[in-house]
Amino acid sequence: QLQESGPGLVKPSETLSLTCTVSGGSISSGNYFWGWIRQPPGKGLEWIGSLYYSGSSYYKPSLQSRLAISVDTSKNHFSLKLTSVTAADTAIYYCVHTLAAAFDSWGRGALVTVSS
Amino acid sequence: QSALAQPASMSGSPGQSITISCTGTSSDVGSYTLVSWYQQHPGKAPKLMISEVTKRPSGVSNRFSGSKAGNTASLTISGLQAEDEADYYCCSYANRRWVFGTGTKVTVL
Repeated sequence: QLQESGPGLVKPSETLSLTCTVSGGSISSGNYFWGWIRQPPGKGLEWIGSLYYSGSSYYKPSLQSRLAISVDTSKNHFSLKLTSVTAADTAIYYCVHTLAAAFDSWGRGALVTVSS
Repeated sequence: QSALAQPASMSGSPGQSITISCTGTSSDVGSYTLVSWYQQHPGKAPKLMISEVTKRPSGVSNRFSGSKAGNTASLTISGLQAEDEADYYCCSYANRRWVFGTGTKVTVL
């Protein structure tokens, strides 16, 4: 199971930080990717980044300069940091587990609103 | 990288079949057998319905099937049921990134 946590409100120009806690298995077991997908209210899904437990990461090119995804195997969680946020970053953020390039397990999602 | 193209909406009567298309390019859908499909009900997280173009995860009804021809992938829902009313998204892996489709709202009449 996956569970997102973090502030639901972030001010413009500040940093959005979310953590995804993995339960029921080790984040470092298996040949899996872990990642983040977001969905602006009323809009479609957008892949933003993924990483392998060893640290290799892939980011959406348009977000790469503002995005960092990291893993903490000791806490069995991985994290998302998105800097210099604007209203366009307001979305439900989902953490996901990836198997055979498909997102087979999703967190419930965390709504993050960017507003002053 | 642009989103994969899907019809905005489709509808069908109970028992009918519908096929949702997902059109990409030779750089994504056309180059990989790594297309997946997701169902999303309002207020819920998406659910994986099809992986690797045609594979159904355990627990997914066999009324859902996937295929691909060239740069276009398709999801067919057979024997449409009221519970199939939802948004559907395709997704393709493409060279160290993933791209989603624009989404299709399916209405059961």
